[in-house]
Amino acid sequence: AQSVSQHNHHVILSEAASLELGCNYSYGGTVNLFWYVQYPGQHLQLLLKYFSGDPLVKGIKGFEAEFIKSKFSFNLRKPSVQWSDTAEYFCAVTRSNDYKLSFGAGTTVTVRA
Amino acid sequence: KAGVTQTPRYLIKTRGQQVTLSCSPISGHRSVSWYQQTPGQGLQFLFEYFSETQRNKGNFPGRFSGRQFSNSRSEMNVSTLELGDSALYLCASSSSGKGETQYFGPGTRLLVL
Repeated sequence: AQSVSQHNHHVILSEAASLELGCNYSYGGTVNLFWYVQYPGQHLQLLLKYFSGDPLVKGIKGFEAEFIKSKFSFNLRKPSVQWSDTAEYFCAVTRSNDYKLSFGAGTTVTVRA
Repeated sequence: KAGVTQTPRYLIKTRGQQVTLSCSPISGHRSVSWYQQTPGQGLQFLFEYFSETQRNKGNFPGRFSGRQFSNSRSEMNVSTLELGDSALYLCASSSSGKGETQYFGPGTRLLVL
């Protein structure tokens, strides 16, 4: 079955530590890839997206992600996290000719001050 | 530009009742998608509408239905509510839907007692 896998369920970090969240998908063909973030009490917001071109994409708040086609991966990174990055992070995938987003299970990130 | 709005934000219903949730997309967006978010199943696609037509449907029972109006506003209805329908229901909009970035509303939190 086609799916999106996020490797970590819960990550706990200290401020200034680096963050990397893994995401793998099992869709064939051309895909569009997204990372969304859900801060406590807030709605899902787009962090970054990849449609085509440079596989290293930069998003808001210092986040970036790298698309590695051969590994079917789209990992999210941030060099130095802040307490305000505490949130749930979702990887999502859609085929370029599809209407629905398929989401990973989400990773809860807790940043200790 | 105003974001996606959803009403009501919170609802409490009892088993067997029905409920209607409303979503107003970003101005100019014609595609509206609905998702269900639960702790156990994560984010799951319900259906997508464009120009008053349902183009795609997820794997949910027929108790879940929706519609879209000529102004692109959408409603979803759940009949004969079950305890397991308790969830956060998210609406997302995009310009045309196909492979595009979807922008999410704050959700309607439904509690079924």
